[in-house]
Amino acid sequence: KQEVTQIPAALSVPEGENLVLNCSFTDSAIYNLQWFRQDPGKGLTSLLLIQSSQREQTSGRLNASLDKSSGRSTLYIAASQPGDSATYLCAALYNFNKFYFGSGTKLNVKP
Amino acid sequence: DTAVSQTPKYLVTQMGNDKSIKCEQNLGHDTMYWYKQDSKKFLKIMFSYNNKELIINETVPNRFSPKSPDKAHLNLHINSLELGDSAVYFCASSQRGLAGSTDTQYFGPGTRLTVL
Repeated sequence: KQEVTQIPAALSVPEGENLVLNCSFTDSAIYNLQWFRQDPGKGLTSLLLIQSSQREQTSGRLNASLDKSSGRSTLYIAASQPGDSATYLCAALYNFNKFYFGSGTKLNVKP
Repeated sequence: DTAVSQTPKYLVTQMGNDKSIKCEQNLGHDTMYWYKQDSKKFLKIMFSYNNKELIINETVPNRFSPKSPDKAHLNLHINSLELGDSAVYFCASSQRGLAGSTDTQYFGPGTRLTVL
């Protein structure tokens, strides 16, 4: 059974800090892993997608890593800003494009 | 231009009613999805359609019936609404979406359904 877990559920940091969000998945037969951002009352915005053959992806201040063998992914946010405050969701993609989502980490970056 | 749009954004209705949520994508994608996000923020897939054909049908009560008139539209009809149906429903689309696909999914803004 595919399950995705995210830790911590909530995180509050002062502006400028570097931070790491964690995601773990039980079934390592993933096709890819994707990190999304969800703002209150809004849909999901894709941040980074890591294919199963890749180890990491970078976009600006964001870096996502993938370790299939241990069933883990991390999202690293450098020099956090108040605009980064949102809920971050990871989703593991399995066959037939089935996404399994974690419950998210709610991030608050304080000015 | 909105890539994936849903209507309505909010829907408040009484138990026992029948309601529909509409979704449209203008990305030219082949596959569309419906997800349900519950109060604990878990997003779970309900259905997916590829070129108007049902591909994924998770364990969902048969009161929920998706309908895809064409590959740019995927509507969700819900019969005999229950309190537990209250949630945010998200539509999404992806380029291909068949076995082995690794396409990203693009999400709509969600429809918040409240059943009283």
